[in-house]
Amino acid sequence: NAGVTQTPKFRILKIGQSMTLQCTQDMNHNYMYWYRQDPGMGLKLIYYSVGAGITDKGEVPNGYNVSRSTTEDFPLRLELAAPSQTSVYFCASRTGGWNTIYFGEGSWLTVV
Amino acid sequence: AQSVTQLDSHVSVSEGTPVLLRCNYSSSYSPSLFWYVQHPNKGLQLLLKYTSAATLVKGINGFEAEFKKSETSFHLTKPSAHMSDAAEYFCVVSDTGGGGTSYGKLTFGQGTILTVHP
Repeated sequence: NAGVTQTPKFRILKIGQSMTLQCTQDMNHNYMYWYRQDPGMGLKLIYYSVGAGITDKGEVPNGYNVSRSTTEDFPLRLELAAPSQTSVYFCASRTGGWNTIYFGEGSWLTVV
Repeated sequence: AQSVTQLDSHVSVSEGTPVLLRCNYSSSYSPSLFWYVQHPNKGLQLLLKYTSAATLVKGINGFEAEFKKSETSFHLTKPSAHMSDAAEYFCVVSDTGGGGTSYGKLTFGQGTILTVHP
């Protein structure tokens, strides 16, 4: 059972480039999330999804887009990368109710 | 709406002494609450979770937390710190919608860095 898989683990982007962070879970979870983590700031919610075809903005959605065409996949797209998007990104999933959140290993992104 | 405040950004203890990491929350509905630990350059590991079954929750590695609704707190404790406990700890809240269904949003505290001295 792979859990939540994120790729790539490390990436360096140039300002203005675009890229997609991939996230896949094999636990048939309805809820999926993208967070970014900056030093001393905790984790901030970028986007989340409560099921296939349904997404919503979190606290810091600007500069990002998501889609949820299947239950398993929840890619995060960065358009026109900026230095402010240098961060560690975590994908997570869970079932509803009181259940545990499962996190991916994280993706370290640097924009130069 | 929901929010989490971790009252200390840094906590420093000596090995073998008790640990207390403080967390206050705000939630419109019955919350589920979690503590996660993150070691340097690593992912997030679940320590324990509160799911309304019992107010005193025991987790891994000797950690426990007590849910106090009257104080809106969910403080994390451990009787005796170990060097391997040095890490960053996050308190997380999720509204459950009052009926056991979750709105889905998870809100993280800012994190508490625990340092353990020999």
